[in-house]
Amino acid sequence: DSGVTQTPKHLITATGQRVTLRCSPRSGDLSVYWYQQSLDQGLQFLIQYYNGEERAKGNILERFSAQQFPDLHSELNLSSLELGDSALYFCASSEGGFTYEQYFGPGTRLTVT
Amino acid sequence: AQSVTQLDSHVSVSEGTPVLLRCNYSSSYSPSLFWYVQHPNKGLQLLLKYTSAATLVKGINGFEAEFKKSETSFHLTKPSAHMSDAAEYFCVVSDYTGNQFYFGTGTSLTVIP
Repeated sequence: DSGVTQTPKHLITATGQRVTLRCSPRSGDLSVYWYQQSLDQGLQFLIQYYNGEERAKGNILERFSAQQFPDLHSELNLSSLELGDSALYFCASSEGGFTYEQYFGPGTRLTVT
Repeated sequence: AQSVTQLDSHVSVSEGTPVLLRCNYSSSYSPSLFWYVQHPNKGLQLLLKYTSAATLVKGINGFEAEFKKSETSFHLTKPSAHMSDAAEYFCVVSDYTGNQFYFGTGTSLTVIP
């Protein structure tokens, strides 16, 4: 158990809808990262927050947004969903930036129908 | 731009024989390099990382990797494969800011009893 929790585990929704994925980091970790894993795109870094502020952006679509709250939990919002957004979404946390060890949550599997 | 190439999408070894998973990177500076493992239906776990210290890096579960700048390689090895090593392995490079993460396409390791 990494200490990172993600909810929900599974999510099935229709195209055009909006969903929110939630992540609670390990106790004491200030950084939260979001990743997307799909069969055709592989693993992609989406976005990083550090202590409530956006630190780095990867291949995150404009339809997607994230935030980190004062209690350090984070939410990833996906809107206007398309079939191609179906994927496993991972959250990870670390004490600092990318050179620190990241601890991954179990993921949220999103299916868009 | 930074990138990593995992030279084998699938590797199959017999239990007790050596493991070699190959990774080449592309970077215009001295990178930070990582190997992560993903067991089925699990999040990723850090095996080891190189951040410009010793070129031979020892990780968890008997894995190690050697950073070879002249060959731009960071191959992962283990002297003797165990059944529990069967998983997907990702080679990862971070950019010079330490604020971006680039994943390889992954190598699926099968261990034959």
